[in-house]
Amino acid sequence: DVKVTQSSRYLVKRTGEKVFLECVQDMDHENMFWYRQDPGLGLRLIYFSYDVKMKEKGDIPEGYSVSREKKERFSLILESASTNQTSMYLCASRGRGAYNSPLHFGNGTRLTVT
Amino acid sequence: TQLLEQSPQFLSIQEGENLTVYCNSSSVFSSLQWYRQEPGEGPVLLVTVVTGGEVKKLKRLTFQFGDARKDSSLHITAAQTGDTGLYLCAGAALNTDKLIFGTGTRLQVFP
Repeated sequence: DVKVTQSSRYLVKRTGEKVFLECVQDMDHENMFWYRQDPGLGLRLIYFSYDVKMKEKGDIPEGYSVSREKKERFSLILESASTNQTSMYLCASRGRGAYNSPLHFGNGTRLTVT
Repeated sequence: TQLLEQSPQFLSIQEGENLTVYCNSSSVFSSLQWYRQEPGEGPVLLVTVVTGGEVKKLKRLTFQFGDARKDSSLHITAAQTGDTGLYLCAGAALNTDKLIFGTGTRLQVFP
């Protein structure tokens, strides 16, 4: 089974702090994604990466950056956290090829910015 | 921006009842996936439908992709408490490899 592990289940940070959310997958997947999940809005794509050191902006990249130095690890960075970034963050991975392959998700990191 | 609207947003029913969740868009999708998310976990894929008009069954769950590939439905027969969760549809946008997620339907099944 594919396992996607997010390093923290809960995080509480202060406004202006730099925040790192880490995600590791163990199935040698090329594609990795960061989403945020808010009630009534579904999942919105922040950034994705289709290879090491490659990144693409999703639908809501403002205020975020990412890093993918190794294939198995994809990090989401909040350069200066703000209260409107309080949310559930989900990391996902997918193998190369078909767009209709399943996304494999981690269990999420609930971030609160005070 | 392509949007996927799900209805209803919330559904609270008793065990044994039937229900249908709808996923609608004005855009055409290459394929559509349905995920279920339980509390404290990430979404898990239930099914992928690819062809317009396609119907897939997964035990008591029946999924249908609209003929024009713009909408989909999920029907649950004789709901059980184990069906409780957040149901998300996700469409694969044409000519990209991005998934557009729906707004979600939160289902609560009471014993």
